[in-house]
Amino acid sequence: DAGITQSPRHKVTETGTPVTLRCHQTENHRYMYWYRQDPGHGLRLIHYSYGVKDTDKGEVSDGYSVSRSKTEDFLLTLESATSSQTSVYFCAISESGWVGAKNIQYFGAGTRLSVL
Amino acid sequence: EDQVTQSPEALRLQEGESSSLNCSYTVSGLRGLFWYRQDPGKGPEFLFTLYSAGEEKEKERLKATLTKKESFLHITAPKPEDSATYLCAVQEGAQKLVFGQGTRLTINP
Repeated sequence: DAGITQSPRHKVTETGTPVTLRCHQTENHRYMYWYRQDPGHGLRLIHYSYGVKDTDKGEVSDGYSVSRSKTEDFLLTLESATSSQTSVYFCAISESGWVGAKNIQYFGAGTRLSVL
Repeated sequence: EDQVTQSPEALRLQEGESSSLNCSYTVSGLRGLFWYRQDPGKGPEFLFTLYSAGEEKEKERLKATLTKKESFLHITAPKPEDSATYLCAVQEGAQKLVFGQGTRLTINP
């Protein structure tokens, strides 16, 4: 999985509790992304980062926040989890965000989150 | 807004039976079209990227082609290990990928 580690791999939590998912990379890539994957919706971008402390919103960012204090780590936080956030979450990395071979996104193995 | 539509949603083939998967897109300025393979319980695995109409890429039994409105993933003489979900994505803007919903391919021995 291109030097990408997501943790935890599985998590069950209760509605209203905070949850943090971690993505760790060993490739020293500048860009990191969080996606969620749901049946009928495909992969949708939540947030992305283009450098340490530089982040921006994606298509489905409501209810999520992110932080990146080091190049290698990108955290996704659900401040107060809801059942609609039950999903599989994927982290991805790329060297660059611009056109060219370096904009290829490589994905981690995913975190399966269930909010009861 | 960019749209990516993949067809069919599911395809079942016999081993050795060649076919094609379709990815149609609407985008104001194509910055890249990507094909990924995803196995159950795993993350998407990069296969190809195409940047301009007429471009083709090949890898083993797979060949991806691109026109101004769609891309095809041709599978020649598939084997059971080619069974997976194949995802198409279009690059929107500088960083963002917009994904289709995928085609679930099953190859029967």
